[in-house]
Amino acid sequence: LAKTTQPISMDSYEGQEVNITCSHNNIATNDYITWYQQFPSQGPRFIIQGYKTKVTNEVASLFIPADRKSSTLSLPRVSLSDTAVYYCLVGSNSGNTPLVFGKGTRLSVIA
Amino acid sequence: DSGVTQTPKHLITATGQRVTLRCSPRSGDLSVYWYQQSLDQGLQFLIQYYNGEERAKGNILERFSAQQFPDLHSELNLSSLELGDSALYFCASSVGRGGRETQYFGPGTRLLVL
Repeated sequence: LAKTTQPISMDSYEGQEVNITCSHNNIATNDYITWYQQFPSQGPRFIIQGYKTKVTNEVASLFIPADRKSSTLSLPRVSLSDTAVYYCLVGSNSGNTPLVFGKGTRLSVIA
Repeated sequence: DSGVTQTPKHLITATGQRVTLRCSPRSGDLSVYWYQQSLDQGLQFLIQYYNGEERAKGNILERFSAQQFPDLHSELNLSSLELGDSALYFCASSVGRGGRETQYFGPGTRLLVL
């Protein structure tokens, strides 16, 4: 099971771009990288998923280098409402290995 | 609204008691997951069911048990409750059973053991 490492916390001002990097040095060939967002007292919500290079949706972008040993979630022009915990997960559809959410990165957006 | 429902929203009970948490997955989803989140802790995976069968097990205590019924709803039973069991319990569901599947989380059940 590929373990992930993320910063415990980050601070940002409103309007800035925020990049949260996740390390997953032993990612397997079949593994995908998925990011979730969790607001206080709510369940996590899927943000984005990717396998390699770059994926973009209406919420965020995900950058994955060629060696796939890390990934970066990019949130453009954050607002106060982006204050949340962000989880990076790595997993595939093969095997019986469950996803491990870990403690995530607590992002605080300041006015 | 994720489409996943959990009942009850809040539960207050005493040590030594037993409670049952209920989860209804999104329509069409076959997998149900249970997670525990204590104050300021990350999500701890407990157990996953897929189409009625146990699929994966995490850090679930022996005092805890779960099942998924033929209509795909799931129940998490917590017995001999201790103060440390106080936490938010989330249920999630997904269409498939693999680690790539997008999980949709319910609003959670907040359990307080006094």
